[in-house]
Amino acid sequence: AAGVIQSPRHLIKEKRETATLKCYPIPRHDTVYWYQQGPGQDPQFLISFYEKMQSDKGSIPDRFSAQQFSDYHSELNMSSLELGDSALYFCASSLGLVGDSNYGYTFGSGTRLTVV
Amino acid sequence: SQQGEEDPQALSIQEGENATMNCSYKTSINNLQWYRQNSGRGLVHLILIRSNEREKHSGRLRVTLDTSKKSSSLLITASRAADTASYFCATDGGNTPLVFGKGTRLSVIA
Repeated sequence: AAGVIQSPRHLIKEKRETATLKCYPIPRHDTVYWYQQGPGQDPQFLISFYEKMQSDKGSIPDRFSAQQFSDYHSELNMSSLELGDSALYFCASSLGLVGDSNYGYTFGSGTRLTVV
Repeated sequence: SQQGEEDPQALSIQEGENATMNCSYKTSINNLQWYRQNSGRGLVHLILIRSNEREKHSGRLRVTLDTSKKSSSLLITASRAADTASYFCATDGGNTPLVFGKGTRLSVIA
């Protein structure tokens, strides 16, 4: 079965550069969530989209922006990168705003961003 | 916030033993979910228990939920070396995204 696809898997950027992370949800899923997980930390919610509109916002820095496109894929744009942005970035998808009540969210494998 | 807090932070057991991890949260929930994460890898959904359920089983997993105490436990029976991973609880408030706990690092020694 198709899963949530994230690209790239790994990304190395220098400070002050920009990065774009992509997420392709499971087909028919209309909701996408972005999470950031620092080393040894729990995943922190950044932002979510439902039907191409922002549905919720967490601890996302102003330097970051995201959007969901007409094909439901989402991109997380990160500018003026800082060393502290180094983390694993996960995307998850679900059908509907509150997730599938039986199966939870489906997470991608993540993009590991390293800022040097 | 309704962030889940888990204990212990780290657990080391012998293969074949049972592993119990606990999670506490602060506000009302729609459901509570447990996820597994191998080092540096993606989150894998294990089991979901709804707020009106008290216990749920899936294979070697047993989850309990006590909404009066705002706590949940995950029991892995007859553990295997391959169960070595971090385990996170996550709470679903119904109209807000999942909030994850700190996680328990489980090491199963062969």
